[in-house]
Amino acid sequence: GENVEQHPSTLSVQEGDSAVIKCTYSDSASNYFPWYKQELGKRPQLIIDIRSNVGEKKDQRIAVTLNKTAKHFSLHITETQPEDSAVYFCAAKGTDKLIFGTGTRLQVFP
Amino acid sequence: DAGVIQSPRHEVTEMGQEVTLRCKPISGHNSLFWYRQTMMRGLELLIYFNNNVPIDDSGMPEDRFSAKMPNASFSTLKIQPSEPRDSAVYFCASSSTYNSVSNYGYTFGSGTRLTVV
Repeated sequence: GENVEQHPSTLSVQEGDSAVIKCTYSDSASNYFPWYKQELGKRPQLIIDIRSNVGEKKDQRIAVTLNKTAKHFSLHITETQPEDSAVYFCAAKGTDKLIFGTGTRLQVFP
Repeated sequence: DAGVIQSPRHEVTEMGQEVTLRCKPISGHNSLFWYRQTMMRGLELLIYFNNNVPIDDSGMPEDRFSAKMPNASFSTLKIQPSEPRDSAVYFCASSSTYNSVSNYGYTFGSGTRLTVV
């Protein structure tokens, strides 16, 4: 079955700097890759996603890249702000269900 | 749309008691997922349903856990008897597989924080 690995587990950056979170997946049939943000005590919420026929997608300060050959995908946050502090989860969808990574706790220091 | 609705938000129960968690998916979504989240194990998929039918329950930890989806708008996750190690946040999520153009992403409910003492 699908396996998703996510790195790093924690990430601390200064406000205004960029943050990058990386994930790898195992199932070459996976075709959908969402990213979720979970603030403390709240539900995971979808922030951006990408499909396997696209290499990059951007939405304001966040972008996701996908390398199908290497089975890598990454989340990029530019000009980080304190409100970006949260746990971020990547996921990959194969034939039927999403498999989540283990999460990255991002802390943005003012 | 009210989103995915879970109840209760918090549940504190004594070891050995039966616990029932409830979920109402988004109207029109045909897939429903139950997840458990702990610090140690992250987000674990327990079971999911497609068109009210259980498809994969391999994540259900043991026979004490059971889940049902009697209709398209309601699902329950039951733990009987409950144990302290069941303490976690339980999330329900739903999605639609009908429209290949729409996003396949899951919408999560607010979760139920279960504490078994």
